[in-house]
Amino acid sequence: GAVVSQHPSRVICKSGTSVKIECRSLDFQATTMFWYRQFPKQSLMLMATSNEGSKATYEQGVEKDKFLINHASLTLSTLTVTSAHPEDSSFYICSARDPTDGGGSPLHFGNGTRLTVT
Amino acid sequence: AQTVTQSQPEMSVQEAETVTLSCTYDTSESDYYLFWYKQPPSRQMILVIRQEAYKQQNATENRFSVNFQKAAKSFSLKISDSQLGDAAMYFCAYRNRDDKIIFGKGTRLHILP
Repeated sequence: GAVVSQHPSRVICKSGTSVKIECRSLDFQATTMFWYRQFPKQSLMLMATSNEGSKATYEQGVEKDKFLINHASLTLSTLTVTSAHPEDSSFYICSARDPTDGGGSPLHFGNGTRLTVT
Repeated sequence: AQTVTQSQPEMSVQEAETVTLSCTYDTSESDYYLFWYKQPPSRQMILVIRQEAYKQQNATENRFSVNFQKAAKSFSLKISDSQLGDAAMYFCAYRNRDDKIIFGKGTRLHILP
């Protein structure tokens, strides 16, 4: 089945630094990828839709200058948390759908990245 | 905008028994997809079952089945013969025509041995 790989799984950084998270579709091409954020014991909140070759679409309330998204190829999207602060600490999950899997195909998720900003 | 509501924050079921998790949603679209995802402590999102809105027949995957009531906008998940490995957070999800998936707040399922 379709696999989405996310790296790193865990990262600790100092306040003010930037962190890049990679999301790769391993056996399919994804023109669109989705980035979610999940706080402890809460649901997944969609942050942005990453579009290959064009600008990402951000959900309301998400700062696009803080969460930079780049989708440079059909198999790779990156999320960069710029000038990270402790309130950015969270679990970030990427996902993608295999377009060849039919209209009802589900999202396939990466394993997530736990970001801790100290 | 679409919304997904899971009214049961937590549920418990005895091992080998059956449990039903409820989900309702709100939409003005006629064509959409619904999913149940499971998130164990590892936090990996695992697809449990999917349902196309245009299909009247309820989806079934082994011990998991849904009761899809389109007019009522209800999409409940039934787990039969509950097993210890079923313990997890369960999210009901709606996929709209823009391919975005909206998740409910989740139901934490405990399996009692």
